[in-house]
Amino acid sequence: KAGVTQTPRYLIKTRGQQVTLSCSPISGHRSVSWYQQTPGQGLQFLFEYFSETQRNKGNFPGRFSGRQFSNSRSEMNVSTLELGDSALYLCASKAGTGSSEQYFGPGTRLTVT
Amino acid sequence: KNQVEQSPQSLIILEGKNCTLQCNYTVSPFSNLRWYKQDTGRGPVSLTIMTFSENTKSNGRYTATLDADTKQSSLHITASQLSDSASYICVVSANTNAGKSTFGDGTTLTVKP
Repeated sequence: KAGVTQTPRYLIKTRGQQVTLSCSPISGHRSVSWYQQTPGQGLQFLFEYFSETQRNKGNFPGRFSGRQFSNSRSEMNVSTLELGDSALYLCASKAGTGSSEQYFGPGTRLTVT
Repeated sequence: KNQVEQSPQSLIILEGKNCTLQCNYTVSPFSNLRWYKQDTGRGPVSLTIMTFSENTKSNGRYTATLDADTKQSSLHITASQLSDSASYICVVSANTNAGKSTFGDGTTLTVKP
């Protein structure tokens, strides 16, 4: 089975722009979660989607949004980018809801200048 | 409030030496605890997963222990190698429908020749 894939792997944007990141989960996995990781900080939970519905949401401003498609692929959008949004954005998938194991993708490194 | 605290924040050891990383949690009701290894710029990779009834679990040179009474876990690395240099993250999941996971900030391990 192929692992979790994320595109693009690297991205450079300018302050004020918006960006869309994509995540394809492991085949058969219906839950996708997004995390932000900044240098020296732990993973911060953004949101989780299951069967196209947002199930959980972290404490991030409304500039951060996401969606999930019928094939379980997910996108995350950040509007009006700020310098502080520069981070590694990680996507993780798991088979169902509950506490089953998550599998992480390689991440998208976003740099905002 | 569910919390996961890891110590030390960072650690430097010589190649071939052993080390132990600590994780204390207050997540309730407890479902499972996972240790992840994250290489710089990559997504975390699962090392071990432990449930309430498990005290010890090994994965090669990595051995995790769990004391559910004191809510503590440790990750012991034996005969360290340069490739063990990474961040080690402790993740504790709650036994709820949401199965929400709480992440520690990680311990950064540097193995020097």
